[in-house]
Amino acid sequence: EAQVTQNPRYLITVTGKKLTVTCSQNMNHEYMSWYRQDPGLGLRQIYYSMNVEVTDKGDVPEGYKVSRKEKRNFPLILESPSPNQTSLYFCASSLWLAGWNEQFFGPGTRLTVL
Amino acid sequence: GENVEQHPSTLSVQEGDSAVIKCTYSDSASNYFPWYKQELGKRPQLIIDIRSNVGEKKDQRIAVTLNKTAKHFSLHITETQPEDSAVYFCAASRSRANSKLTFGKGITLSVRP
Repeated sequence: EAQVTQNPRYLITVTGKKLTVTCSQNMNHEYMSWYRQDPGLGLRQIYYSMNVEVTDKGDVPEGYKVSRKEKRNFPLILESPSPNQTSLYFCASSLWLAGWNEQFFGPGTRLTVL
Repeated sequence: GENVEQHPSTLSVQEGDSAVIKCTYSDSASNYFPWYKQELGKRPQLIIDIRSNVGEKKDQRIAVTLNKTAKHFSLHITETQPEDSAVYFCAASRSRANSKLTFGKGITLSVRP
């Protein structure tokens, strides 16, 4: 089954404790992206990757890191989480020409930073 | 960069009525306009999209219209049903490699039974 998976789905952590949210897709998509969703603010892009070893900042990259060592995986790293990073996070993937193609979203990760 | 705005932010309609959700965009070079639906607790999913070489596209009860001159596009849902209740996001993008999809803030549609 073609899909985007994320882990964990729910996470409660404390300020400053490094964490990684994994994202994997099995559709051989070149483009992957991370979004955060906050009430009243919609979906805001954090980082995106056009292909292996190619990443770039989205609209709200501060406090996040990403890596793209393999085509199928695109982990999101919070080196020192803070309460303002409490949010619902979505990973998405699509074929090339990212904005021109349907984006397939993962199930989401609800993160709470205390 | 692109700025996409949706209005209204919430919309309530009676079951069976039509609903219209409008979006405006700022980048005149944008030429791809998708709509995503997010049901409560679920992930966003594409429901319909339109490219700038057409003015209207229909798929059963949903349709999207595009006015490039005015830089706005709209989602039309006819014969609304309770399962249409969701958050709807419009988005805009250029059609080129490394183009970014910019989302609006979302509209919550409630269909009253």
